[in-house]
Amino acid sequence: KAGVTQTPRYLIKTRGQQVTLSCSPISGHRSVSWYQQTPGQGLQFLFEYFSETQRNKGNFPGRFSGRQFSNSRSEMNVSTLELGDSALYLCASSLSAVTGELFFGEGSRLTVL
Amino acid sequence: AQKITQTQPGMFVQEKEAVTLDCTYDTSDPSYGLFWYKQPSSGEMIFLIYQGSYDQQNATEGRYSLNFQKARKSANLVISASQLGDSAMYFCAGGGYQKVTFGIGTKLQVIP
Repeated sequence: KAGVTQTPRYLIKTRGQQVTLSCSPISGHRSVSWYQQTPGQGLQFLFEYFSETQRNKGNFPGRFSGRQFSNSRSEMNVSTLELGDSALYLCASSLSAVTGELFFGEGSRLTVL
Repeated sequence: AQKITQTQPGMFVQEKEAVTLDCTYDTSDPSYGLFWYKQPSSGEMIFLIYQGSYDQQNATEGRYSLNFQKARKSANLVISASQLGDSAMYFCAGGGYQKVTFGIGTKLQVIP
């Protein structure tokens, strides 16, 4: 059974650009969550989608957005990149409609110059 | 709201010894789950163990056990017979409904 797949694994952008990250959950998982991980802040919840609907959102500015497609694949977008957006972005999928075990991908490491 | 506190930035343990990683939580949700994840230097988050708020017994998974004390709001991870491969960051996490909050992590180093 394939795990959670995130693409791209690494990317470098400059300030002001925008970026789109992709996440393919484990087959059959309908819940997808996104987290930002930085050395200073740890893992911070961005948002969670279930059946194409955003059910919960963390405390991030509107520059951070996401969506989920009918096949449960999810994308997150960050517009007008800032230096502080440099981080490891982790996607996790879950089978349960309520909080359950999260299965993480390897992450997308974004560097903003 | 859910808050997870890990007060040990780093821990050392001798190989083959047991180690306890501390975690306290605070939540207003009546039903919640508590998790522990391991993150090796490769970056992948690996699920270790789960404890539901209504579970009567402490969860165990191989060498991992969760010491759940509801009255003290603590969910400490116990790793028995430490191995060199256990060296990693360990994150305690808690979830109510649709959202999981993570602690800042504890870096465990196993000494040969």
